[in-house]
Amino acid sequence: GAGVSQSPRYKVAKRGQDVALRCDPISGHVSLFWYQQALGQGPEFLTYFQNEAQLDKSGLPSDRFFAERPEGSVSTLKIQRTQQEDSAVYLCASSPRWAGAIYRANYGYTFGSGTRLTVV
Amino acid sequence: KNEVEQSPQNLTAQEGEFITINCSYSVGISALHWLQQHPGGGIVSLFMLSSGKKKHGRLIATINIQEKHSSLHITASHPRDSAVYICAVRQNTGNQFYFGTGTSLTVIP
Repeated sequence: GAGVSQSPRYKVAKRGQDVALRCDPISGHVSLFWYQQALGQGPEFLTYFQNEAQLDKSGLPSDRFFAERPEGSVSTLKIQRTQQEDSAVYLCASSPRWAGAIYRANYGYTFGSGTRLTVV
Repeated sequence: KNEVEQSPQNLTAQEGEFITINCSYSVGISALHWLQQHPGGGIVSLFMLSSGKKKHGRLIATINIQEKHSSLHITASHPRDSAVYICAVRQNTGNQFYFGTGTSLTVIP
């Protein structure tokens, strides 16, 4: 597609419910990132994929958070037993190049519009 | 844990004014990004800098690596520039980005 697509756009979950958030990156983009953005805050890194390999998951706040990208394209962020503090916008970004590559002037990231998760 | 600090947090300007948003960071970086986030949540990457200065239309971004500081300037501001502007740095020792909390800009006609 033309951009990074995230679904659903909005999700309301009852505390304790499991949720799955989907990210469709731009076709062919190698790198994929998930970020969590709390209200009034900047995005915070959660995890990073290079193709299907999850190379960095140091930002995942707890073992209730799990991300996968089994075929190196679509990624799913799953949150088990949601809690109120999980309420945030979850942003996905993708990039055509390896994140470890030498930085180039045209090396850009495209962000999705995010999924706003509200846990009640 | 504030690797990236932005100022001001909120900014209101009259149409046509020259606007400056500042970003300071404390980590070693390989790149700094200026991002624009509209009320719907979508984020657009405006600039990516590793040194010097870049210009695109009415937008100018500068970075001083020694001082660990970057500025985003908007000349002849327009109401459609109203958005949240976020500074993000990519640490040179890993794949992580650190984001500022953003500057909310409102340009009044």
